[in-house]
Amino acid sequence: GAGVSQSPSNKVTEKGKDVELRCDPISGHTALYWYRQSLGQGLEFLIYFQGNSAPDKSGLPSDRFSAERTGGSVSTLTIQRTQQEDSAVYLCASSFSGVGTGELFFGEGSRLTVL
Amino acid sequence: KNEVEQSPQNLTAQEGEFITINCSYSVGISALHWLQQHPGGGIVSLFMLSSGKKKHGRLIATINIQEKHSSLHITASHPRDSAVYICAVYTSGTYKYIFGTGTRLKVLA
Repeated sequence: GAGVSQSPSNKVTEKGKDVELRCDPISGHTALYWYRQSLGQGLEFLIYFQGNSAPDKSGLPSDRFSAERTGGSVSTLTIQRTQQEDSAVYLCASSFSGVGTGELFFGEGSRLTVL
Repeated sequence: KNEVEQSPQNLTAQEGEFITINCSYSVGISALHWLQQHPGGGIVSLFMLSSGKKKHGRLIATINIQEKHSSLHITASHPRDSAVYICAVYTSGTYKYIFGTGTRLKVLA
């Protein structure tokens, strides 16, 4: 696609439900990043993919969070048993080289609200 | 202490003013990015630097690797420049970007 596409753009869910967020990176981009931005806060790193593998999962806040990437393309971030503190904008970014020398392209984000 | 520090945190300027936003970092880096985030959340990459200086329109970015410091300058500022400007460093030997907390710029007409 022309840009990084994320869905849904907005998700309101009840505490305890599972949610799935999707990121469709720019075609050919090998690196894919998930970040989280809480209200008024900076960007918090969650996980990085190079191709289908995730060399760095250190940012995932708890074992309720998981992510996968298939076919070196689409990635899904799954949050199980959502809590109110999970409310944030979840941003996906992709780049061509994945080693910090390629421009980062961000999606518009998925705004998650846990009631 | 954050590994990436930006200053100022908030900045209000009059249209036409020259603006400087600073970023200091304490880790080894491969590259530094300047990003712009408009109200509504969309993030756009402005510059990627590993040395020297880059210019795009009214925006200029510089980096001093020895001093671990970068600056973003906006010449002849305009209300449409109002946004949050974020410095992000790509740390050497890892796959992680570390982000500054951003500088919120408001340019008044």
